[in-house]
Amino acid sequence: GAGVSQSPRYKVAKRGQDVALRCDPISGHVSLFWYQQALGQGPEFLTYFQNEAQLDKSGLPSDRFFAERPEGSVSTLKIQRTQQEDSAVYLCASSLLAGSYNEQFFGPGTRLTVL
Amino acid sequence: AQSVTQLGSHVSVSEGALVLLRCNYSSSVPPYLFWYVQYPNQGLQLLLKYTSAATLVKGINGFEAEFKKSETSFHLTKPSAHMSDAAEYFCAVSKAGTASKLTFGTGTRLQVTL
Repeated sequence: GAGVSQSPRYKVAKRGQDVALRCDPISGHVSLFWYQQALGQGPEFLTYFQNEAQLDKSGLPSDRFFAERPEGSVSTLKIQRTQQEDSAVYLCASSLLAGSYNEQFFGPGTRLTVL
Repeated sequence: AQSVTQLGSHVSVSEGALVLLRCNYSSSVPPYLFWYVQYPNQGLQLLLKYTSAATLVKGINGFEAEFKKSETSFHLTKPSAHMSDAAEYFCAVSKAGTASKLTFGTGTRLQVTL
């Protein structure tokens, strides 16, 4: 069966450009998470959706980061006016239910490089 | 606040030897604990999880971990390493209850040599 997919897999942006990263979760999964993974580090939480509601955005590093999931399925993470420190792998994960004991299924990530 | 500490950013073992990857956690509430594996250019895959049932948890690919509250540890072990086990391993913690973010450690890269 299809897992979590993300596109693009690689993105190179010039500093100051806006980027949009897409996540297609597993069909029917209620919960969707975005994480940022810097080189040599573990993933760090950015934001969480339950269906279309963004219930936690405490990890977004600045107001340049914006995420949405308007119909409760596909999600987009947008970064405005990209900076070099935004270079990282952005991971999306989904889980079937809302409980934190549920396994999060991760996508392959989008590697963003800001020049 | 919750956190995990993974001791050893790199671990090297011989094929067939015991694998031991260390993870200590800090949590003010009963935690859920997870081990994930990441192969190059792939997403993270769940190996096993502790959710307050049995303290010895068995996972995929022959891995297991034991939750020790007195030591605040959740170390990952495998009796006999295989070349295919070479990867990055992450320990993670979340709060029990409603959906909660995972807080990851910095990872341990496992190298398996002949």
